[in-house]
Amino acid sequence: GAGVSQTPSNKVTEKGKYVELRCDPISGHTALYWYRQSLGQGPEFLIYFQGTGAADDSGLPNDRFFAVRPEGSVSTLKIQRTERGDSAVYLCASSFGGSGPWGADTQYFGPGTRLTVL
Amino acid sequence: GENVEQHPSTLSVQEGDSAVIKCTYSDSASNYFPWYKQELGKRPQLIIDIRSNVGEKKDQRIAVTLNKTAKHFSLHITETQPEDSAVYFCAAIQPSPVMNYGGSQGNLIFGKGTKLSVKP
Repeated sequence: GAGVSQTPSNKVTEKGKYVELRCDPISGHTALYWYRQSLGQGPEFLIYFQGTGAADDSGLPNDRFFAVRPEGSVSTLKIQRTERGDSAVYLCASSFGGSGPWGADTQYFGPGTRLTVL
Repeated sequence: GENVEQHPSTLSVQEGDSAVIKCTYSDSASNYFPWYKQELGKRPQLIIDIRSNVGEKKDQRIAVTLNKTAKHFSLHITETQPEDSAVYFCAAIQPSPVMNYGGSQGNLIFGKGTKLSVKP
């Protein structure tokens, strides 16, 4: 596709339920990032994949959050036992994944999934 | 880890005036600094970025300057137009131990954003 896509665009769930959020990166991009954005704040890093492996998962807030990217393309962010504090827009970004010595590749963002936990 | 501070939080200018947004960062290893524009309910869109091998970059009405010694970078928008109204985020890369092709990748650390309003 032309850009990063995310599904669903909106997800409303009840406290304690399990949710899955999907990200489809730009074709050929090997790096994929998940961020979370709360109202009035900048995006906050969650996890970063290089290929199929999680290169950095230090931003995941606790063990209720998990993400996979089994084939190095589509990624799924999984949240168990959702809490009201998990409500936010979950953004996915992708980048080419290779660069010269002067800095990283541009990260292109998807439209986000707005998660509301009631 | 990296920390990014952004000022001001809100900025109101008259159409045609210039707008300047400033950011500081803490990790001297950071080498990539993008700026994103986000309209209400939309995704962040990259408007300009700068890498640490240059001190300034310009694209039409938008320019970014980088001072590595002082660890700060700024966004300059000239001849502002009402459609420039949005929230602007600066970011700095948190260098990752994953190395690719001699370069580096990593997650972005964002500032808290500046809400720019351009009055016609």
